[in-house]
Amino acid sequence: QVQLQQWGAGLLKPSETLSLTCAVYGGSFSGYSWSWIRQPPGKGLEWIGEINHSGSTNYNPSLKSRVTISVDTSKNQFSLKLTSVTAADTAVYYCARLPQTWGQGTLVAVSS
Amino acid sequence: QSVLTQPPSVSGAPGQRVTISCTGSSSNIGAGFDVHWYQQLPGTAPKLLIYGNINRPSGVPDRFSGSKSGTSASLAITGLQAEDEADYYCQSYDSSLSVVFGGGTKLTVL
Repeated sequence: QVQLQQWGAGLLKPSETLSLTCAVYGGSFSGYSWSWIRQPPGKGLEWIGEINHSGSTNYNPSLKSRVTISVDTSKNQFSLKLTSVTAADTAVYYCARLPQTWGQGTLVAVSS
Repeated sequence: QSVLTQPPSVSGAPGQRVTISCTGSSSNIGAGFDVHWYQQLPGTAPKLLIYGNINRPSGVPDRFSGSKSGTSASLAITGLQAEDEADYYCQSYDSSLSVVFGGGTKLTVL
């Protein structure tokens, strides 16, 4: 049974870069796409983007200019970087292997 | 503005049946892409409820069922229970292979 464990900084200042990592345990890393999704407080889910084991990426067009998703197959990990954050980027960020498996979520707050 | 449209809220009494709609377009649901449904309890990650339009993961009660027709999909919950009170989201894909979500529906059990 695949499990995802995510971590990263929870408090950022405006203009800083958000950085989160998700580790995959208990299953194959290859052959799947790995996603990042976020949820602002009290709002719905927004897909940020995805990566497969070979490093091919697909991003939400609305965030594409600020997002980089990378993969480290040697560690079965994938990571999210979101540059130039503002208060609008405050959200719970989830890593996931859609549709079945989700990480526990990380609250990232952006405040000066 | 979400790509997939869901009603913001639905409600029902215990034991009743409720349905939640998810309306898309010819570039997502109507293009033949699968629809998945999630249940999200407060403070927790979404949990997969229905995958591939109609399939229930192991452990999901058969009170939950999914359907799809044309550019829309629906989640039905029969025999409503207090524990079903949660937010529900549909998810599909669009022709650019992006993942798209509905805006979410809050289910209240009266």
